[in-house]
Order: sequence, then C-alpha cells, then structure tokens
Amino acid sequence: ETGVTQTPRHLVMGMTNKKSLKCEQHLGHNAMYWYKQSAKKPLELMFVYNFKEQTENNSVPSRFSPECPNSSHLFLHLHTLQPEDSALYLCASSQEGLENTEAFFGQGTRLTVV
Amino acid sequence: KNEVEQSPQNLTAQEGEFITINCSYSVGISALHWLQQHPGGGIVSLFMLSSGKKKHGRLIATINIQEKHSSLHITASHPRDSAVYICAVSRDDKIIFGKGTRLHILP
Repeated sequence: ETGVTQTPRHLVMGMTNKKSLKCEQHLGHNAMYWYKQSAKKPLELMFVYNFKEQTENNSVPSRFSPECPNSSHLFLHLHTLQPEDSALYLCASSQEGLENTEAFFGQGTRLTVV
Repeated sequence: KNEVEQSPQNLTAQEGEFITINCSYSVGISALHWLQQHPGGGIVSLFMLSSGKKKHGRLIATINIQEKHSSLHITASHPRDSAVYICAVSRDDKIIFGKGTRLHILP
C-alpha cells in the first residue's frame, strides 16, 4: 500500500463510451501525475498537476481529459478512445516536483478498449 | 535511443542467486530511482539516490555519477522478488523511465 489509490483497477470500454479513472492520495502531496504504460514501452508521462494547476500536458490527445478538483484527487476522463489506447494507466504523487522528491504510485488501472 | 537504458531486458535465475540489474543514462540528472512493478501493475519505489550506495534489506543500489551508471543488486534472491524492475532518472522536474528488466526467480 503506497498511499495512492486508483479506481477502478480494471476497465473495459467501447470506443463510444465515456468513462473516468480516479486517483486519490492522502499523503499531503502537492503534485499528481498521470502516466501511461503500454506493452514493451517505457512509462510515458501524460499530465502533471502542481497545486491543482496543470503544469504539463505531454501532447496527449484530447480524448483524454484530466481534472484535478483538489490536491488529493485526480481524474482522467476518457471518451471516444481507440483500441491502441489500451494500456495500464498509473497515477503518482509527490511532495513537490519530481526534481528531488520520491514519487508514490498507485496500483494502476488496466484499460482495455474494444 | 532511449535516454535510460537497462540491461538485461529479461533475467531468469535460481532462488538464492545474486542478481545485478544495470542502468545507464545519457543525460544530466538530479536523482535516480529504482522502482519495482509487480504482475498486477502496482509500482513501488525502492530507492532514490543521487550518489554512492543505499541498502535496504536484501536490496542494494549504487550509482556512479561520472560514469552515468547505476546498479541494483539483490542478494539471496527469492521467488517473491520476481517482478519488473524499472530504472528512472529525474531531470528538469521530469522522470524519464527505462523499459524495465523482467526478473523471474525460480524456486
């Protein structure tokens, strides 16, 4: 248990569905991150939020829409996804930015788009 | 070419063997992380280091900043150590990840 909780753990959705991934941390961290892990590829940073403000969007398609209502919660809203979006989506948090602080990861949501 | 390279990509060993996983990087960094990812997908941070050596239980991590190289060692390996071990480096407030080393320890 790392203190970062993601729900759901598994999700199967059709290309016309709309769903949301949720991430929650009560570690008192100020920064939260969404990562994508595709098969046989390194983890890819998608979005960064610092103090609830989005500070990075790594050229992620608009069918992925993040939301950070407060420093403890992070959502990833999904709509009209493609089969190639099937991957493990990981949330992480850290005290500040990643320069010299440790990141804590959630268990991930295994997403399958059919 | 990935900025963080790990070797080997896959490693199978017998229980009790001494395991070494290597990580080389090509950029300036502020810290290096070793992470462990279990089959279910969850990731646990094992070490964060910027110089020298750290030890936690049977795990030892070393880093040589001049050579841009780090190693993760596991002593007296056990089947429960089977996982993917990921090396990552912190740079400019980002983390760059290696592709991971898949370790399988046979009983």
